Amino acid sequence: EIVLTQSPGTLSLSPGERATLSCRASQSLSSSYLAWYQQKPGQAPRLLIYGASSRATGIPDRFSGSGSGTDFTLTISRLEPEDFAVFYCQQYGSSPTFGQGTKVELK
Amino acid sequence: EVQLLESGGGLVQPGGSLRLSCVASGFTFNNYGMNWVRQAPGQGPEWVSAVSGSGESTYYADSVKGRFTISRDNSKNTLYLQMSSLRVEDTAVYYCAKDRWSTKPAHFDYWGQGTLVTVSS
Repeated sequence: EIVLTQSPGTLSLSPGERATLSCRASQSLSSSYLAWYQQKPGQAPRLLIYGASSRATGIPDRFSGSGSGTDFTLTISRLEPEDFAVFYCQQYGSSPTFGQGTKVELK
Repeated sequence: EVQLLESGGGLVQPGGSLRLSCVASGFTFNNYGMNWVRQAPGQGPEWVSAVSGSGESTYYADSVKGRFTISRDNSKNTLYLQMSSLRVEDTAVYYCAKDRWSTKPAHFDYWGQGTLVTVSS
């Protein structure tokens, strides 16, 4: 099983600031099979990024993904009030697994 | 508009069985793989099972292999999860999720609202 470790656990930021979230895989991911999701309380996760860097349909361009191999990053260039949530990375190079999440909270 | 509507959750005793359903609309159902993903209270999501668009291939997490069975009826645009030998640790919200691929499980672009399964005596 590929284990994904996300850091930091919590990120305290203000609207307008830049958020940088990290996801590290226990094994190299073939073809950058890494996705990112956003989840707000009481809602299902929403796909943001797939293939490490491709934005899903309807996702604003302030969200970007990068990385390859074992190290991946989700960047939110300028936080909007609606962006505060928990973010999960997920790999699909083998049987899918999720990271434990990074909470982006209002400072 | 893509819609996924789950049903069938509820309270069940350890060792019991339950069948979840998910009715899909807004896309060509048999063109895409479908998945069940669960989330225990306060935890991150956990992928449970997947079925290819044709229904010929199925995939399971080790934690449910041999106890859960995924299936689909493409004539009814419906996905199922038959759960048996349920354990307390199976307690979670179960989401139906559409895959962007048609074959092996990948990443999930549409999710249902979830149905709560509680396993308790």
